[in-house]
Amino acid sequence: GENVEQHPSTLSVQEGDSAVIKCTYSDSASNYFPWYKQELGKGPQLIIDIRSNVGEKKDQRIAVTLNKTAKHFSLHITETQPEDSAVYFCAASIRSGNTGKLIFGQGTTLQVKP
Amino acid sequence: EAGVTQFPSHSVIEKGQTVTLRCDPISGHDNLYWYRRVMGKEIKFLLHFVKESKQDESGMPNNRFLAERTGGTYSTLKVQPAELEDSGVYFCASSPQGPGRFFGQGTRLTVV
Repeated sequence: GENVEQHPSTLSVQEGDSAVIKCTYSDSASNYFPWYKQELGKGPQLIIDIRSNVGEKKDQRIAVTLNKTAKHFSLHITETQPEDSAVYFCAASIRSGNTGKLIFGQGTTLQVKP
Repeated sequence: EAGVTQFPSHSVIEKGQTVTLRCDPISGHDNLYWYRRVMGKEIKFLLHFVKESKQDESGMPNNRFLAERTGGTYSTLKVQPAELEDSGVYFCASSPQGPGRFFGQGTRLTVV
């Protein structure tokens, strides 16, 4: 069935370093790949997304890359700050009209040490 | 603009009891999704409403779970009777179209 694998499960970096989280999806029909950030006591918040017709997308310190052939996509956070500490989820979806349930990865707990 | 709101934020019930979770989506969003995260695992899809109709309920675990969205506005998710394995955080998300973009803060359900 549909599956998204996410690694690592935990990641600790020093403030100012980069952080990379990787995901692999199983359904080759997937065409939409969002990333969510969940802070303590809050719901997941969409931080960036990418569609299958794009290989890379950047928004300030956050970038996402997609390799459709390998069915991999990654989140890159540069110049990390303590407020980047949170749980990050990748997801994959087959987006068509009003369909589009999200298949989530297991989550990565990112800790940025000051 | 108000975001997606879920009630209650926490619920502790005994095994065998009934619990009803509520989700108020962002006004005007036709798409409403329910998800669940159990024991620190991945967030799993439960079902998807388009207005008041169930578009996809393939993720509902069993017939102890009943979701409704009367009038296409708020939605309720009832668990009856609750079992220990139903414990987790239940999220609601809404969007004007496509996958749920805006998530609520979640309801943490604990069945004891």
